Amino acid sequence: AQTVTQSQPEMSVQEAETVTLSCTYDTSESDYYLFWYKQPPSRQMILVIRQEAYKQQNATENRFSVNFQKAAKSFSLKISDSQLGDAAMYFCAYRGDDKIIFGKGTRLHILP
Amino acid sequence: KAGVTQTPRYLIKTRGQQVTLSCSPISGHRSVSWYQQTPGQGLQFLFEYFSETQRNKGNFPGRFSGRQFSNSRSEMNVSTLELGDSALYLCASTRLTGTNTGELFFGEGSRLTVL
Repeated sequence: AQTVTQSQPEMSVQEAETVTLSCTYDTSESDYYLFWYKQPPSRQMILVIRQEAYKQQNATENRFSVNFQKAAKSFSLKISDSQLGDAAMYFCAYRGDDKIIFGKGTRLHILP
Repeated sequence: KAGVTQTPRYLIKTRGQQVTLSCSPISGHRSVSWYQQTPGQGLQFLFEYFSETQRNKGNFPGRFSGRQFSNSRSEMNVSTLELGDSALYLCASTRLTGTNTGELFFGEGSRLTVL
């Protein structure tokens, strides 16, 4: 069965600094998708970034980028130039053939 | 374009009762999935519907059920409520294109409290 592990329940970063959230997963599938979702205190979950497993190039979206290591089954999220609005719960998610699995989340605090 | 709409936003029930939650997806989205979010367990997948058919199912007891209508709106039902069913129930829609990808668009959730 597929699993998604986020080993950091909480993290803090100084405003304007860079922070990396880790995510590891386990699967026997070769074709799948990985996502990072953000859930601000208002509760509505939004997509931050998406990575297709067949693509070797790491996805980037403005200040957000991932380090996708397929062999190591690792999918970390790097946030550069952290802003107060980045404070939220971040969920790593795996979408395979038959279901979507989320990690337990990392709560990110931004220190002014 | 209207987002995913979930109703009701908040509700309180007592043990043994049943509850029905509704989700209206974004126009054009034919896939709807449901999740249970609790502080201890995080976000857990309940089920996914596509074109009125249950496509995938998570590991929840039979008390949790759902359906999808021809207009893609979906409902989930929880019967014989237990205290542990207290949670935020999130619905998400996506424009499935035949491959297992697609961004999930989430609603704001229905907060269920069971007393």
